[in-house]
Amino acid sequence: GQNIDQPTEMTATEGAIVQINCTYQTSGFNGLFWYQQHAGEAPTFLSYNVLDGLEEKGRFSSFLSRSKGYSYLLLKELQMKDSASYLCAVRESDYKLSFGAGTTVTVRA
Amino acid sequence: AAGVIQSPRHLIKEKRETATLKCYPIPRHDTVYWYQQGPGQDPQFLISFYEKMQSDKGSIPDRFSAQQFSDYHSELNMSSLELGDSALYFCASSPQGGRNIQYFGAGTRLSVL
Repeated sequence: GQNIDQPTEMTATEGAIVQINCTYQTSGFNGLFWYQQHAGEAPTFLSYNVLDGLEEKGRFSSFLSRSKGYSYLLLKELQMKDSASYLCAVRESDYKLSFGAGTTVTVRA
Repeated sequence: AAGVIQSPRHLIKEKRETATLKCYPIPRHDTVYWYQQGPGQDPQFLISFYEKMQSDKGSIPDRFSAQQFSDYHSELNMSSLELGDSALYFCASSPQGGRNIQYFGAGTRLSVL
């Protein structure tokens, strides 16, 4: 089975920084992904961690600690278009992603 | 760049009818995945195919079946539709088997009335 937890909602101001935490307990682990999803649209790939540490990609960074079963996604210099749901997903086996319930981020002017 | 293409984008069916959803992966991607996302829920893995063989299976009902064809496109067949099958169905694809990033299509919104 799998248990992937992330906060339901977060609100931040344009230009600010927001950190979305994700904890997981899964039967297998082969990498952790972050996806962005606007309502009714496809999840869009943001970042991927398989080793411990920080991966930086422009305004987005993601961190992983495998021993703690913990990851976070850091969004810097928030823009209005960043208002979306952010999904933490664990690759449990080669062919299966298990998703968390998603964190809805609202960016306010 | 070409993306994952799903058709149709919207589908309306009655209870007990059948539906077929199609997925065309990104060129040179040999692995496809199907996910079901109910309203306000996270995507749930249904099934995946690598090189035309089923590679993993999740919470896919027995009423559903899927396959991957020689051109790597995939079809999800759904029979005896129930109201609870109403959801967004996503297909994703990745290159060279499962150990790569999955890229998602825009999804098919199925409404069962």
